[in-house]
Amino acid sequence: DAGVIQSPRHEVTEMGQEVTLRCKPISGHDYLFWYRQTMMRGLELLIYFNNNVPIDDSGMPEDRFSAKMPNASFSTLKIQPSEPRDSAVYFCASSLGHWEGTEAFFGQGTRLTVV
Amino acid sequence: KQEVTQIPAALSVPEGENLVLNCSFTDSAIYNLQWFRQDPGKGLTSLLLIQSSQREQTSGRLNASLDKSSGRSTLYIAASQPGDSATYLCAVRNSGNTPLVFGKGTRLSVIA
Repeated sequence: DAGVIQSPRHEVTEMGQEVTLRCKPISGHDYLFWYRQTMMRGLELLIYFNNNVPIDDSGMPEDRFSAKMPNASFSTLKIQPSEPRDSAVYFCASSLGHWEGTEAFFGQGTRLTVV
Repeated sequence: KQEVTQIPAALSVPEGENLVLNCSFTDSAIYNLQWFRQDPGKGLTSLLLIQSSQREQTSGRLNASLDKSSGRSTLYIAASQPGDSATYLCAVRNSGNTPLVFGKGTRLSVIA
């Protein structure tokens, strides 16, 4: 397996534009997580899914953020409209649940810059 | 609510030294604990995972220990090398269906 795949790797957009980040989890993993990383706050959980169903979206900063997982191999995180304070690195991760030995694997991240 | 703290925030050592990175967590009822490495501008690479029933895990020059009762884990790096320079992140999971909670990391510099 190629691991967790995120696209794009870098995104520069103007304030007010819609941004869509994409993630392909590792095949067979039933959990998918979206995190945001900033210097000030470190890694923060935004939302996570189990078997394509959102479980906890309490970390989503506001209504401008939305996430979907239409099938087991694809998820999107959308920001509309984007603002400069959304600039961060966004990571997607996947794992198997219900086994203590399960590791979480991360994608390479999408570096978002909103100007 | 689980909180994870890593001390120190930054560490600089000469090449060849053995070193210890610390991680503490507030809720000792964890499912597992994972140590990651992150190079600048890169993603997170999993180094070691310790299950709640385990006391330690080893991989090469890395050894991670877990003391659940005291809410602590340490990552021991033997004979450090400049290539070990990176940020090391500790993360805990409280159950199989909850996400990882991360510390803010320790930024390590190994000087040749």
